[in-house]
Amino acid sequence: DADVTQTPRNRITKTGKRIMLECSQTKGHDRMYWYRQDPGLGLQLIYYSFDVKDINKGEISDGYSVSRQAQAKFSLSLESAIPNQTALYFCATSDGGVDRGHEQFFGPGTRLTVL
Amino acid sequence: DAKTTQPNSMESNEEEPVHLPCNHSTISGTDYIHWYRQLPSQGPEYVIHGLTSNVNNRMASLAIAEDRKSSTLILHRATLRDAAVYYCMRTSYGKLTFGQGTILTVHP
Repeated sequence: DADVTQTPRNRITKTGKRIMLECSQTKGHDRMYWYRQDPGLGLQLIYYSFDVKDINKGEISDGYSVSRQAQAKFSLSLESAIPNQTALYFCATSDGGVDRGHEQFFGPGTRLTVL
Repeated sequence: DAKTTQPNSMESNEEEPVHLPCNHSTISGTDYIHWYRQLPSQGPEYVIHGLTSNVNNRMASLAIAEDRKSSTLILHRATLRDAAVYYCMRTSYGKLTFGQGTILTVHP
């Protein structure tokens, strides 16, 4: 079984709908991350969490919210989806600070289309 | 503003070395440099990271310029399975900045 899983893998929704993307990990890592990937732009950090009680905004958090339900679960919500939130979304985990050289482990991604 | 820039694409022949550059001219003294690669329809996977010194692991080598404003990922003998998008990333507390990625094509 994969260490980092994301559900759903694909989702098509309409403008204005609320959407939740879920991420689960079995690696026992405290740190979890949500990224967005657009063609030609690399990955951009949306939110990150150092533990269940510590959640921080990344560079593009507007229009998104997150919930860390447990060490193993980190959800990303779009309260009112808009078409420019159409993208590939990745969840990642790390055992320690990436800013101290720890590697991240990525999930397979969720492809979200907002019509 | 933190910027990490990479060429859009590079090509190589199988079994030849590949040098993938990354420019991070505004890097600070404590920022790490990471490299990830992304195979088609998969999430990124870790390749290597470093701070000041050159680094080697089973996948690749990382050469970091003396002024740390640029780095180069070296694949010593490219294989067809190395065809992927390679991302350079710099990290500082609270900021993880990816480059736009280099699409590596490997010709048989």
